[in-house]
Amino acid sequence: DIQMTQSPSSLSASVGDRITITCRASQSISTYVNWYQHKPGKAPKLLLYAATNLEGGVPSRFSGSGSGTEFTLTISSLQREDFETYYCQQTFSTPYTFGQGTKLDIK
Amino acid sequence: QLQESGPGLVKPSGTLSLTCAVSSFSFSSKEWWSWVRQRPGKGLEWIGQIGPSGSSNYNPSLRSRVTMSIDKSKKQISLNLSSVTAADTAIFYCARGRRAATGDPLFLDYWGQGTVVTVSS
Repeated sequence: DIQMTQSPSSLSASVGDRITITCRASQSISTYVNWYQHKPGKAPKLLLYAATNLEGGVPSRFSGSGSGTEFTLTISSLQREDFETYYCQQTFSTPYTFGQGTKLDIK
Repeated sequence: QLQESGPGLVKPSGTLSLTCAVSSFSFSSKEWWSWVRQRPGKGLEWIGQIGPSGSSNYNPSLRSRVTMSIDKSKKQISLNLSSVTAADTAIFYCARGRRAATGDPLFLDYWGQGTVVTVSS
């Protein structure tokens, strides 16, 4: 199985801050990484697919980069509604593993 | 557009059976359907997926206990998880997987709201 190591596991930040979340894959996976936002009790929401592609309707303050084994999700200017949990996922090979998640809270 | 349903309580050693009703999608040849769970206090865990022809891939950690099926006429995807224990207590989600183009990475773009399943006697 491909392991996705996501960091940090939690992050405190303020509205307007720029933050970056990192996922490292245990082997090279090209750009087969997706990012999701998850609010408790809600359906996870796709933010970016294939590492860099913004899903329709997702604000442009979200961006992704990386290929191979290292990937990042950046939120350029945090808004209040962004303080949720974020997951990366690899779909290079099954099982499609997720990172452990990053819980973003207000400082 | 995706709605999970099933018993909220399952007895240990029993079989967990869930259904995902799909609306607004055509069950095309390019769609795969995944099940994902979140155990209490844990992250997301991919259980497996089933494709348009019924072919499936399961997480090796659950493979011996998981069966998925698809009923295009009813527009439903089903998940069976046998020999459950308290460790299988979780919120279960179904999700649609697709690719932007053939050969591109698959991503899960639509998810159900999830259904809570508790394993307890």
